Amino acid sequence: DIQMTQSPSSLSASVGDRVTITCRASQTISSYLNWYQQKPGKAPKLLIYTASNLQSGVPSRFSGSGSGTDFTLTISTLQPEDFAYYYCQQTSTTPLTFGGGTRVEI
Amino acid sequence: QVQLQESGPGLVKPSETLSLTCTVSGGSVSSDTYYWSWIRQPPGKGLEWIGYIHYSGSTAYSGNTDYNPSLKSRVTISVDTSRKQFSLHLSSVTAADTAVYYCARVQRMTGWCDPWGQGTLVTVSS
Repeated sequence: DIQMTQSPSSLSASVGDRVTITCRASQTISSYLNWYQQKPGKAPKLLIYTASNLQSGVPSRFSGSGSGTDFTLTISTLQPEDFAYYYCQQTSTTPLTFGGGTRVEI
Repeated sequence: QVQLQESGPGLVKPSETLSLTCTVSGGSVSSDTYYWSWIRQPPGKGLEWIGYIHYSGSTAYSGNTDYNPSLKSRVTISVDTSRKQFSLHLSSVTAADTAVYYCARVQRMTGWCDPWGQGTLVTVSS
């Protein structure tokens, strides 16, 4: 299985901050990397697909980059509604695997 | 707009079979473009992909499934096109199978999951 390692596991930030979350794959996955946001008690929501493509309806302050094994999710200007968990997911090969998550808190 | 909704028992006894159904509205489960997947999340933990099924009436790959090897011996995913549903059966459950179970649509070429159902908590306990 491809292991996905996210860092940090949690971070504290303020409204208006620029936030960066990284995800590393245990082997190359090209650009088959997606990012999800999950709020407590809710299902994950797709933010970014294939590393850098913004899902329809997702604010432009979210962006993704990377290829191969190293990827980044950036929130350019953190908003109050962005405090949540974030997960990366590789879809290069099955079993599909997720990172352990990053908690973004105030 | 496609929406998914999970349904099924919230409590299952150890050693029994967990059975859940996902109803698809606003679209068809028969698709060349999408797979139908189950994903779970134990309380307070991360996400685990269980497996998916591809159903298309127009290709030779209709009904193909792919399961997480860690669960493969206990998992079956199936589709009922007439009811616009797909189902999960997980046999011989233990407390470790206690989780919120989500169904999701998976884009065939890129693998992204969207939309997701709201999730349903299944507790394994006697």
